Amino acid sequence: EAGVTQFPSHSVIEKGQTVTLRCDPISGHDNLYWYRRVMGKEIKFLLHFVKESKQDESGMPNNRFLAERTGGTYSTLKVQPAELEDSGVYFCASSRREGEPQHFGDGTRLSIL
Amino acid sequence: KNQVEQSPQSLIILEGKNCTLQCNYTVSPFSNLRWYKQDTGRGPVSLTIMTFSENTKSNGRYTATLDADTKQSSLHITASQLSDSASYICVVISQGNLIFGKGTKLSVKP
Repeated sequence: EAGVTQFPSHSVIEKGQTVTLRCDPISGHDNLYWYRRVMGKEIKFLLHFVKESKQDESGMPNNRFLAERTGGTYSTLKVQPAELEDSGVYFCASSRREGEPQHFGDGTRLSIL
Repeated sequence: KNQVEQSPQSLIILEGKNCTLQCNYTVSPFSNLRWYKQDTGRGPVSLTIMTFSENTKSNGRYTATLDADTKQSSLHITASQLSDSASYICVVISQGNLIFGKGTKLSVKP
């Protein structure tokens, strides 16, 4: 069984540019989560999809962040325009059902210059 | 405010030695507690899960304890190996939400 895959593994962009992160969950996992870890802080929840629907987006920092999961398969997280404080590692996780253990991807390390 | 505090922040031990990592939490309501291992450049991987009624659970050389009354958990690593070098993250699950600690960075030296 392939794990959760994230692309790219690293991204370096300038302030004001746009970046799109992608997450492919484990096949058959309806639940997909986005998390973020900024330097020196703990990992924090961003949002949760159940299939293609946003179940909880209470952790999204502001409207510069847009997450989509069209078709209920892979998900994208777009940051537009990127700001310096958006730098960090963005993790995606998936689970078959809510409440079951979440499997994490290796993250995308985003650096805003 | 729901918080998970871990100590120490970092730890260096010699290969073959034991160590214990601590986790204190102020999370309510409590569903369960997980310890994750995160290798550098990789995502967190679950080591153990503790429910409210469990006091101790082992997974190989890893033993986790939970005291739900004092809201404390520990992760004990026995006979450490070089491959144990990683960050160990305590995560408390509350109503389906994962609340993470900052982690303890463990370095095992030969």
